[in-house]
Amino acid sequence: DQQVKQNSPSLSVQEGRISILNCDYTNSMFDYFLWYKKYPAEGPTFLISISSIKDKNEDGRFTVFLNKSAKHLSLHIVPSQPGDSAVYFCAASAYNNNDMRFGAGTRLTVKP
Amino acid sequence: NAGVTQTPKFRVLKTGQSMTLLCAQDMNHEYMYWYRQDPGMGLRLIHYSVGEGTTAKGEVPDGYNVSRLKKQNFLLGLESAAPSQTSVYFCASSHRQITEAFFGQGTRLTVV
Repeated sequence: DQQVKQNSPSLSVQEGRISILNCDYTNSMFDYFLWYKKYPAEGPTFLISISSIKDKNEDGRFTVFLNKSAKHLSLHIVPSQPGDSAVYFCAASAYNNNDMRFGAGTRLTVKP
Repeated sequence: NAGVTQTPKFRVLKTGQSMTLLCAQDMNHEYMYWYRQDPGMGLRLIHYSVGEGTTAKGEVPDGYNVSRLKKQNFLLGLESAAPSQTSVYFCASSHRQITEAFFGQGTRLTVV
């Protein structure tokens, strides 16, 4: 069963605009969430994370929002740049559990 | 600083053959992981290790074995390859229980 879902396989935005990537989860035990970015022929690289005790975490152009009651998180990229074009994976884990679950990924394309 | 290095990068196996994928990290991380990535499935954890000499099963361990004889190395073995094991395999490591993990570039394995 897929406990972490990214329902949008792809997203296209114009340079300078906001990109919003969404992620839903089903396991209420998850308490730590991460976003990874992946370029072709490379491994995923860590982007930003959030603990369940927070509802927002910001790092430069990237902000992650967590809505625990809805079991939903989102990644906002403002402003979007062509170099942000990549596949973004949402991941979730429970404290003291190494079985981190990943979503299927969303391919973001930022057009110049 | 190489980070996480996987060898080989590509491999084609015939059904029933065996092989070992090698992962090496130079960050002195305790935790190491093997994932597989399949289209539409995200990354799924195969096996992981929380320290030298320890291994544990992840979400999809069947058909694979692992060993962590040295802290810096984590080996993934396929005893008798099957077409269903055609995938891209990623190794990752982290300093402690999985939070931010560093990934290798991946190994693309095709079983014919």
